[in-house]
Order: sequence, then structure tokens, then C-alpha cells
Amino acid sequence: QLQLQESGPGLVKPSETLSLTCTVSGGSINNNNHYWGWIRQPPGKGLQWIGNIGYTGKTYYNPSLKSRVSMSVDTSKKKFSLRLSSVTATDTAVYFCARLRWYVSAADAFDVWGQGTMVTVS
Amino acid sequence: QPVLTQPPSSSASPGESARLTCTLPSDIDVHYSNIYWYQQKPGSPPRYLLYYFSDSEKGLGSGVPSRFSGSKDDSANTGILLISGLQSEDEAEYYCMIWPSNGSGVFGGGTKLTVL
Repeated sequence: QLQLQESGPGLVKPSETLSLTCTVSGGSINNNNHYWGWIRQPPGKGLQWIGNIGYTGKTYYNPSLKSRVSMSVDTSKKKFSLRLSSVTATDTAVYFCARLRWYVSAADAFDVWGQGTMVTVS
Repeated sequence: QPVLTQPPSSSASPGESARLTCTLPSDIDVHYSNIYWYQQKPGSPPRYLLYYFSDSEKGLGSGVPSRFSGSKDDSANTGILLISGLQSEDEAEYYCMIWPSNGSGVFGGGTKLTVL
């Protein structure tokens, strides 16, 4: 059964770069049927899609975050990563990684989620 | 980024049905959109429930009971999540999501469903 686990610092200083990694276990990261995504949730608020990355490294980013976001994938280690630069307090959130079904060359559902990791900017 | 509008809260009694709505902006036609629904309970990640495009093109997430279903109201440009036979365990936050352009997604603000 596929599982995802986020890891990274829980505290980041303002203006610095937030870096998180998601480790995939129990399944393959290399296939054309899935992308890998990041979603965040500020405390007490709703979900915000951050972006997706395929195993080839192709990315899609939320336009509102695009200037600060970068994602990468390491298929040999079955990991994908998120970097968010120039963070402020508004970037404080629980960050989730998730598997995205990719159906007929289009994004579909986030069907497997990590437990999430809280990142505080302070 | 487009905005998907969900009522902040809804309530219903056990055994009844709950109808949760997700209104798309006027420049996105719900008729041509896949609507995805997620359930989130406190302290847990979201859980994929289902997607709905039409009665002939829809799907339930793995392990999701058939009490959950989707539909659309084209006249209101709205996606709908219907939960029949409400149970106390259905009390949660529900989010809709669409992919308005290939690879770029947006969530609704969420509806907190209370089972009275």
C-alpha cells in the first residue's frame, strides 16, 4: 500500500527558504499515471494547492506562488521536494504531499495523502 | 486563481441527507468540469471521496461508501455532493476542487458539516 511521508524543519525564519521532502514507500514513483503534489493548509483555514511534479520533472505551480516555488524529484530515492523562498508568516501552514492521478494527460484526484507536517514561519 | 464558493457550514440529522454545494465562477462552466470532493476530519489529512462529471462519467474513491454521490446544477453553475443516510462519522469538513486549466488546480473554501 502506497504511503507518503513529509519531512523537514518545523520552524523557518522570515525571508528564508522552506524546504520539505516527501518520501514514497510501498509503490513506484516512476509512472505515467501519477504526478506528485503539494497542498498546504494554514491553521484553521482551507486547502491551497501549491503545485505538482511528474517523475520526469515536469512541473505545474499555483500562479499565486509561482515566483517563489520550486519542486524537484529524485526517482532513485523515491522522493520529491518542495522549496518555497522568501517566506513570511502567511506561509505558516500544515504542508501535505499527495499522489495525483494523471488520467488521459490531465490532472485527476489526489488519492493518497501524507499525514502532513506543520511549518511555522517565525 | 478562480474562486470556488462553498457555504461555510451545513447541518442535518442522522439518517437524513446532506446536500453540499460548490459554485464555480461565471467564467468556468460546470457542465464541462470534473468536480472533485474531499473529506477532512480534525487532525487528519483530506480523504478523496469522489469525482463527478456526468451520470455516465463519475467515480468513487477507494473504500468510499455509496452513500456519497455527486451531481451538478448547470443552471446554478454548481457542483453538488450528496450524502444520504447521514451518520455521525460523516461530520467533517468537505472541500471541492477543480482543475480549471490543465495541471493548475483550485480548492473551494470548505463546508463544515455538522450531524445533529
